Amino acid sequence: DAKTTQPTSMDCAEGRAANLPCNHSTISGNEYVYWYRQIHSQGPQYIIHGLKNNETNEMASLIITEDRKSSTLILPHATLRDTAVYYCIVRGWNAGGTSYGKLTFGQGTILTVHP
Amino acid sequence: NAGVTQTPKFQVLKTGQSMTLQCAQDMNHNSMYWYRQDPGMGLRLIYYSASEGTTDKGEVPNGYNVSRLNKREFSLRLESAAPSQTSVYFCASSDISGRVLLYGYTFGSGTRLTVV
Repeated sequence: DAKTTQPTSMDCAEGRAANLPCNHSTISGNEYVYWYRQIHSQGPQYIIHGLKNNETNEMASLIITEDRKSSTLILPHATLRDTAVYYCIVRGWNAGGTSYGKLTFGQGTILTVHP
Repeated sequence: NAGVTQTPKFQVLKTGQSMTLQCAQDMNHNSMYWYRQDPGMGLRLIYYSASEGTTDKGEVPNGYNVSRLNKREFSLRLESAAPSQTSVYFCASSDISGRVLLYGYTFGSGTRLTVV
């Protein structure tokens, strides 16, 4: 799986957009980008995923650069409840036979939303 | 729709005791996973089950065993608990179609285990 690099921490004002970057310069053609978040003491929560096109759902938008070497998760109007650790994960299909579907979580970005 | 249910939520064991962590999902997912999370660290995969009837080791399987009892249930057993197994344990499930992970994982709320 491609390695990802995220900033250790970020701050954001409540009501503003939070833009969380992720670098995955070694990504290969069959690898998807997944974003999860973990609010303190809870299980991680799936946010969004994409391959090469930008994606949007009710929680966030995912912008993937044309060369796919980096991506940005956008929370359009951050609230205090968005304070969490955000994980960017890259995972391919059919990686190692039955191992597809396994996700490896790194350290993530601690996003703190301030009033 | 409960999603992924883990029991118990909290447990304290003495070194050498055994216990089984239970996990059940009601989303008809094919795959299930057990992770552990230690303070200040990311999640590490212990075991997973790609489909009913199959199980495979993850990153940190030593000291654990698993059973995929049926499509809904995936249990994690500690045969002889050690203080190094003090952690928060998360169960997750997912659906895979055409070898693509769909919609990501759904996680349970975790089991906080302390081994003294």
